[in-house]
Amino acid sequence: KAGVTQTPRYLIKTRGQQVTLSCSPISGHRSVSWYQQTPGQGLQFLFEYFSETQRNKGNFPGRFSGRQFSNSRSEMNVSTLELGDSALYLCASSPTGARANYGYTFGSGTRLTVV
Amino acid sequence: AQRVTQPEKLLSVFKGAPVELKCNYSYSGSPELFWYVQYSRQRLQLLLRHISRESIKGFTADLNKGETSFHLKKPFAQEEDSAMYYCALSGGSGNTPLVFGKGTRLSVIA
Repeated sequence: KAGVTQTPRYLIKTRGQQVTLSCSPISGHRSVSWYQQTPGQGLQFLFEYFSETQRNKGNFPGRFSGRQFSNSRSEMNVSTLELGDSALYLCASSPTGARANYGYTFGSGTRLTVV
Repeated sequence: AQRVTQPEKLLSVFKGAPVELKCNYSYSGSPELFWYVQYSRQRLQLLLRHISRESIKGFTADLNKGETSFHLKKPFAQEEDSAMYYCALSGGSGNTPLVFGKGTRLSVIA
């Protein structure tokens, strides 16, 4: 079956712009989580959606937002981009959440560069 | 608050030598601990979880609640074990997200 698909793979944006990233989870998975990965901070949790509801939220400013659609696809949006937002953004899907039998299935990520 | 600490950024061992990747956590309740691995040019994937008490690719990890540790071990390292390893914790109820450590890069030298 198809894995977790993230689009686009690469993005270059200018400071002050906004960006939308997309994640299509594995069919049947209802939980989608987003992480920001940087060399200095590692993997930092952004938020988790389950059945279209935000179930958990990390410690990121309000410029970072997300949503989940009825087909479980998820988008995250970052407004007023800053240079420090440059990172690899990873999406992870699971049937129920972090403790599902096979854990999270990760996508390949979207590499965002802010110039 | 949940916190995971992996004290080593890089660990280099010779092929055939034992491997121990350290992981310490901070959480007051009953956490569930995981190890995730990322091989070169591949996606992050689950290696093992403490609740399963299984051995994957020769790796094992024991949860030590007294020392709040969940170290990953393998008796004989193989070159194909070279990868980035992340320890992760999910606390509280079953719906809490995973908190990751910063990772340890394991390099197995032939």
